[in-house]
Amino acid sequence: AQSVTQLDSHVSVSEGTPVLLRCNYSSSYSPSLFWYVQHPNKGLQLLLKYTSAATLVKGINGFEAEFKKSETSFHLTKPSAHMSDAAEYFCVVSPSGTYKYIFGTGTRLKVLA
Amino acid sequence: DTGVSQNPRHKITKRGQNVTFRCDPISEHNRLYWYRQTLGQGPEFLTYFQNEAQLEKSRLLSDRFSAERPKGSFSTLEIQRTEQGDSAMYLCASSFLAGDTDEQYFGPGTRLTVT
Repeated sequence: AQSVTQLDSHVSVSEGTPVLLRCNYSSSYSPSLFWYVQHPNKGLQLLLKYTSAATLVKGINGFEAEFKKSETSFHLTKPSAHMSDAAEYFCVVSPSGTYKYIFGTGTRLKVLA
Repeated sequence: DTGVSQNPRHKITKRGQNVTFRCDPISEHNRLYWYRQTLGQGPEFLTYFQNEAQLEKSRLLSDRFSAERPKGSFSTLEIQRTEQGDSAMYLCASSFLAGDTDEQYFGPGTRLTVT
């Protein structure tokens, strides 16, 4: 069965410091992987996606993620956090050849001034 | 705004009442999805349409839930005889399959509170 685990439910960083949000997945075949961000009272917005091309994926707002098959991980990083990055982040796995999205439980990112 | 829209944004209803939500997808998208999101959880898949055909329903969707997508355009999700456990955010997403990637675009959601 496919699943996704976000290892931290809450992460706090100071403004200007690096961000690391961790995600591990389980999937039988090469999946597509996504990171979405959800700001309060706003819809889920796609940050970036991995679809079996380059393993280092660059997204919007300076975020990037690296697909590591040997570790079954897809961690999200940003070199320098901004106050506007405070939000809920979801890692999503979509098994190959399907439309199904399987969401993680989310990581709430807090950015301290 | 050409994104996915949902109406209403908020709905408060008494237990036992029926409610209906509407989703308008991005116009060229042929796939439409409904999800439910409860506090502290990620969205959970409820049902999927390709054009007007409902191709899959989750086991989460009891027989009190019904969804339609007439003419493959907007979709409605109806909950009959609402229960307090139905309180959640209901999200709609749409997509157009390009290559091997299905990138879903989400609406802002309808927050249902059952009292």
